[in-house]
Amino acid sequence: AQSVTQLGSHVSVSEGALVLLRCNYSSSVPPYLFWYVQYPNQGLQLLLKYTSAATLVKGINGFEAEFKKSETSFHLTKPSAHMSDAAEYFCAVSDPFPGYSSASKIIFGSGTRLSIRP
Amino acid sequence: NAGVTQTPKFQVLKTGQSMTLQCAQDMNHEYMSWYRQDPGMGLRLIHYSVGAGITDQGEVPNGYNVSRSTTEDFPLRLLSAAPSQTSVYFCASSYSRTVGTGELFFGEGSRLTVL
Repeated sequence: AQSVTQLGSHVSVSEGALVLLRCNYSSSVPPYLFWYVQYPNQGLQLLLKYTSAATLVKGINGFEAEFKKSETSFHLTKPSAHMSDAAEYFCAVSDPFPGYSSASKIIFGSGTRLSIRP
Repeated sequence: NAGVTQTPKFQVLKTGQSMTLQCAQDMNHEYMSWYRQDPGMGLRLIHYSVGAGITDQGEVPNGYNVSRSTTEDFPLRLLSAAPSQTSVYFCASSYSRTVGTGELFFGEGSRLTVL
């Protein structure tokens, strides 16, 4: 079964500092990996996704993530935090080709709340 | 362009009552799903559907029923509400039945409290 583990339920950084949100995955097949963001009182929206092409993936709002197979990691980074980045971030994993009789599922981690200090 | 619409946004129930959370999408998506979000547990998949007439169970299906009679609608039914079902519920859809290759589009959520 596939799963993701997000290290740290809450991360706080100063405005302008590096943002690093950690995600490790477990999968028996080459996975697809996603980062979603949830702003207060809203649904989730896709930030970026890894689909077995380039290992460094760029997303919206200056975020990027690097797929490292040897470390089974897909950490999210942003060089300089902005106050508007305060939100909850979810890492997610899927098996993109589960077989004819199955449908894919996207499995989410427990989330990391990002706070930005002025 | 409405996207994924959920109703109601807020609901308070007493233990044992029944209710239906509505979800509609106008993007002609094949795949629709329901998640619940609880503090510290992220999102957990309840049920999903890959097309009209086809549904399947996710990670936490007990206590919930679904049906998919049209492409656009995917209601979630609680037949006898329990306090453990107090949560925020999200409906999400995707253009492809092999959702793992694509992106999920989420509604704004329905906050349910069971007393």
